[in-house]
Amino acid sequence: GAGVSQSPRYKVAKRGQDVALRCDPISGHVSLFWYQQALGQGPEFLTYFQNEAQLDKSGLPSDRFFAERPEGSVSTLKIQRTQQEDSAVYLCASSLAQLAGGGAYEQYFGPGTRLTVT
Amino acid sequence: AQSVSQHNHHVILSEAASLELGCNYSYGGTVNLFWYVQYPGQHLQLLLKYFSGDPLVKGIKGFEAEFIKSKFSFNLRKPSVQWSDTAEYFCAVGDSWGKLQFGAGTQVVVTP
Repeated sequence: GAGVSQSPRYKVAKRGQDVALRCDPISGHVSLFWYQQALGQGPEFLTYFQNEAQLDKSGLPSDRFFAERPEGSVSTLKIQRTQQEDSAVYLCASSLAQLAGGGAYEQYFGPGTRLTVT
Repeated sequence: AQSVSQHNHHVILSEAASLELGCNYSYGGTVNLFWYVQYPGQHLQLLLKYFSGDPLVKGIKGFEAEFIKSKFSFNLRKPSVQWSDTAEYFCAVGDSWGKLQFGAGTQVVVTP
């Protein structure tokens, strides 16, 4: 069956460029999460949506990072004026969780987008 | 603030050896605990999870983990590893909304 898909899989950007990373969650999954994984580290939380509502963006590292999910399905993570420290794998995950207390639901991860800023 | 600590960054062992990966966490509330695995070239996938009840949980592929509340630990075990268990293993703590905090990961290499 279809899992979480992300595009592009690889992105090379010159410092200062803007990038947009796309996530297609599993159909019917209400919750969507973005994580950033630096080399040799575990994923770190960036932001969370429930349907189209962005309920938590506490992990976004700066105001250059922006995420949206306008129709409650596909999500886009945008990074403006990329910097070298933005180089990482960006992971998207979705789950069926609909309420607080939904932490019990499994998150299904996509393959990630590897961003390299030169 | 919550944190997750995995004790080993790299583990190398032979097939049929036993595996135990340590995970400690600090979190002030009710915890949801997870082990995720990433096989070479594949997505992160769930091995097992603990929310409540029996502190010994069994997951896929013969893995199990034990939640010890007094030690704030959730160690992963497998009695006899196979070459196909070569992967990176991540311990994670989840809040009530599902937001996950991961450890740094342990790279496990199983030699034939």
